[in-house]
Amino acid sequence: KQEVTQIPAALSVPEGENLVLNCSFTDSAIYNLQWFRQDPGKGLTSLLLIQSSQREQTSGRLNASLDKSSGRSTLYIAASQPGDSATYLCAVRHGFNKFYFGSGTKLNVKP
Amino acid sequence: GAVVSQHPSRVICKSGTSVKIECRSLDFQATTMFWYRQFPKQSLMLMATSNEGSKATYEQGVEKDKFLINHASLTLSTLTVTSAHPEDSSFYICSAHLYTGELFFGEGSRLTVL
Repeated sequence: KQEVTQIPAALSVPEGENLVLNCSFTDSAIYNLQWFRQDPGKGLTSLLLIQSSQREQTSGRLNASLDKSSGRSTLYIAASQPGDSATYLCAVRHGFNKFYFGSGTKLNVKP
Repeated sequence: GAVVSQHPSRVICKSGTSVKIECRSLDFQATTMFWYRQFPKQSLMLMATSNEGSKATYEQGVEKDKFLINHASLTLSTLTVTSAHPEDSSFYICSAHLYTGELFFGEGSRLTVL
């Protein structure tokens, strides 16, 4: 069974710092990997989707990488801002309608 | 990106009553939708996979008769919490995916059972 792990569980950084969030998965036979952010009391917002054939995706200050063979993905956030404070989750699609989620990294960017 | 709308965002009901939550894909058709439950400070727990025109597939430990799922059209799935009790109070979220495999989520529904 696929297991998805996110480290660290929580992270606090000063504004302006570059940071990396980690996501690992146990079975490399995935269709894709997706990063989300969740604000308190809200649903999940899609940030980046990386298909299994891709190595990275970029959107603005966000860059996500995927190393399928080692079962790892990273989400890089450049020049962090207080508005980036949220919980970040990764999810892998493993099977046609099977999605597995990590437990999330709670990010706090201090002004 | 695609839009998934969930309604209501908050609902308070008395113990013993039933509550229906709607999940709509606004700009795409979704043959499959997913329903999750999220406890405070925890990740998502998949409850069931909703299939258009057929029965939902429930995860182990989820009571089918308690959480009724109907997926009557390609853009609408509903979750009905029947005979709700305080322990059913939670945050319920739905999602659907595009043909690319990208998942999109509703805004979530906060259920409080008094």
